[in-house]
Amino acid sequence: NAGVTQTPKFRILKIGQSMTLQCTQDMNHNYMYWYRQDPGMGLKLIYYSVGAGITDKGEVPNGYNVSRSTTEDFPLRLELAAPSQTSVYFCASTPDHLNQPQHFGDGTRLSIL
Amino acid sequence: GEDVEQSLFLSVREGDSSVINCTYTDSSSTYLYWYKQEPGAGLQLLTYIFSNMDMKQDQRLTVLLNKKDKHLSLRIADTQTGDSAIYFCADRGQGGKLIFGQGTELSVKP
Repeated sequence: NAGVTQTPKFRILKIGQSMTLQCTQDMNHNYMYWYRQDPGMGLKLIYYSVGAGITDKGEVPNGYNVSRSTTEDFPLRLELAAPSQTSVYFCASTPDHLNQPQHFGDGTRLSIL
Repeated sequence: GEDVEQSLFLSVREGDSSVINCTYTDSSSTYLYWYKQEPGAGLQLLTYIFSNMDMKQDQRLTVLLNKKDKHLSLRIADTQTGDSAIYFCADRGQGGKLIFGQGTELSVKP
């Protein structure tokens, strides 16, 4: 039972480069989320999706884009990487928004130099 | 907007009890969660409590909720070195989005 899988686990980018962080879940969850975690801080919500074809902005969406073409996948795209986007990125999923806890991936550690 | 606050550090000796505190601002909270994060790993759900409950016990973990004061605590009995981690309090706010505290780093000394 894989749960939520994120790839890659680590990445170093140069300023201005672009990349896509992959997230896939095999639990048939409708709700998926992307968070970033900065040192000494909690998780900040970047984008979320309540189902295939539907996405919405979270607390800190600037500089990111997402898509949700299937229930399983929720990729996060950085178009023009900036040093401020150095962080650990977590993807999470949950069956619904009512009372089910979120299941988290292991994270992607991204450094922008 | 909605906010969740935690103290940043807690240090205890092995065998003692640990109490991690959290305050939140959202009056419409339905569920409150405690997550554990070990170094280099994602967040692992430890326990959660529904907002109409005052207390929930699960083995060594006891969650206390004071809804009037919007105060949540996590007590870990007989704390072990394996409990050393960062603990996050989270509030399920409007639309089902989780609002996380900054995390409390628990250090357990032998």
